[in-house]
Amino acid sequence: EEQLVESGGGLVQPGGSLRLSCVASGFTFSNYEMHWVRQAPGMGLQWVSYISGTGSAKSYADSVKGRFTISRDNARNSLYLQLDSLRAEDTAVYYCARRGIAAAGRKFDPWGQGTLVTVSS
Amino acid sequence: IQLTQSPSFLSASVGDRVTITCRTSQGVSSYLAWYQQKPGKAPKLLISAASTLHSGVPSRFSGSGSGTEFTLTISSLQSEDFATYYCQQFNSYPYSFGQGTKLEIK
Repeated sequence: EEQLVESGGGLVQPGGSLRLSCVASGFTFSNYEMHWVRQAPGMGLQWVSYISGTGSAKSYADSVKGRFTISRDNARNSLYLQLDSLRAEDTAVYYCARRGIAAAGRKFDPWGQGTLVTVSS
Repeated sequence: IQLTQSPSFLSASVGDRVTITCRTSQGVSSYLAWYQQKPGKAPKLLISAASTLHSGVPSRFSGSGSGTEFTLTISSLQSEDFATYYCQQFNSYPYSFGQGTKLEIK
């Protein structure tokens, strides 16, 4: 079964840092582009960041650029999101998701179960 | 690219046929997906490439459209279909989402 499992969320003070992890299983992790998506309480989905299969290409939403860093360790089948200079508006459930391959793969599936980040003093 | 779903809220009964529309601010060809999300759960893929039903998704779900206007139709609502639905474009980064359509029981 193809699966993604996130961890690392928690309560952090404004200005603080947190590192989220996403461990993949059931598929060849290095073949896939990976993404982070977040959802603030009661709100919709917001795309946050992506990284290519090799890790050579990355992109970020304007709202997190310069504060969040995406990375991956293909030997460990793991995706990461380093969250720095956190703000109250970063409070959300953070999901990792796999993009499919090539033109037929323009979709996110599977998704992880999500990890909650709460930024509050 | 901005995605606008309509309606944002929809009240319907079991057995009803419902349609949700997603309009994009720029053409996205057929690079649009639909997801279903239930409270406290991750989104689940329903449809990709505007009209391709994901494996295991009931055939009462269908999608259509291209360019800037897309629709998700549920032909006969079942109790398990009451959820929030999102569209997402894959034409260009950032892969933006619509604001969601919450489907509630009438």
